[in-house]
Amino acid sequence: EDQVTQSPEALRLQEGESSSLNCSYTVSGLRGLFWYRQDPGKGPEFLFTLYSAGEEKEKERLKATLTKKESFLHITAPKPEDSATYLCAVQASGGSYIPTFGRGTSLIVHP
Amino acid sequence: AAGVIQSPRHLIKEKRETATLKCYPIPRHDTVYWYQQGPGQDPQFLISFYEKMQSDKGSIPDRFSAQQFSDYHSELNMSSLELGDSALYFCASSPQRERGGIQYFGAGTRLSVL
Repeated sequence: EDQVTQSPEALRLQEGESSSLNCSYTVSGLRGLFWYRQDPGKGPEFLFTLYSAGEEKEKERLKATLTKKESFLHITAPKPEDSATYLCAVQASGGSYIPTFGRGTSLIVHP
Repeated sequence: AAGVIQSPRHLIKEKRETATLKCYPIPRHDTVYWYQQGPGQDPQFLISFYEKMQSDKGSIPDRFSAQQFSDYHSELNMSSLELGDSALYFCASSPQRERGGIQYFGAGTRLSVL
């Protein structure tokens, strides 16, 4: 069974304090790994797709990286507006195209 | 750019009542998904449609049914509502099923069952 584990569950940072969120996964074969941002009471917003180990994607203060077992979402010099829950999802190769979501990391950035 | 549109945004029902949630996917997206999200939980996949045909089924109760119509909009029908059905319900669409992890979510319908 595909498994996605995100850590930490919650993270509090001061504005400007860089950190990383982790997404570890267990799948028979990886078709793709996806990062989403979700604000309270709103739908998840797609951020990045990573398809192979060593791949990196960047968007503003966010950078996503991928290895064979995990992905990191690095947040550089975060701002309060980066506060949200960050969800990781994994799509396995073969069979269903439905991704498996992790439980997310709740990030709060204090000014 | 067009986004996924869901209606209504909020819905209050009594136990044992019926609810219908609507979703209008992004034009030319070939796959529609329905999710249920409880407080502090990750989105739980319910059901999906590919080119208007039911594609995958997740943890959707037998009391729930869904369909996608000729104009590509989709409806989630929920009968015999229970207190535990109170949650956020999201619809998402994907431009290509094979890249099904790339989904664009609507704003959701918050269902409260009293």
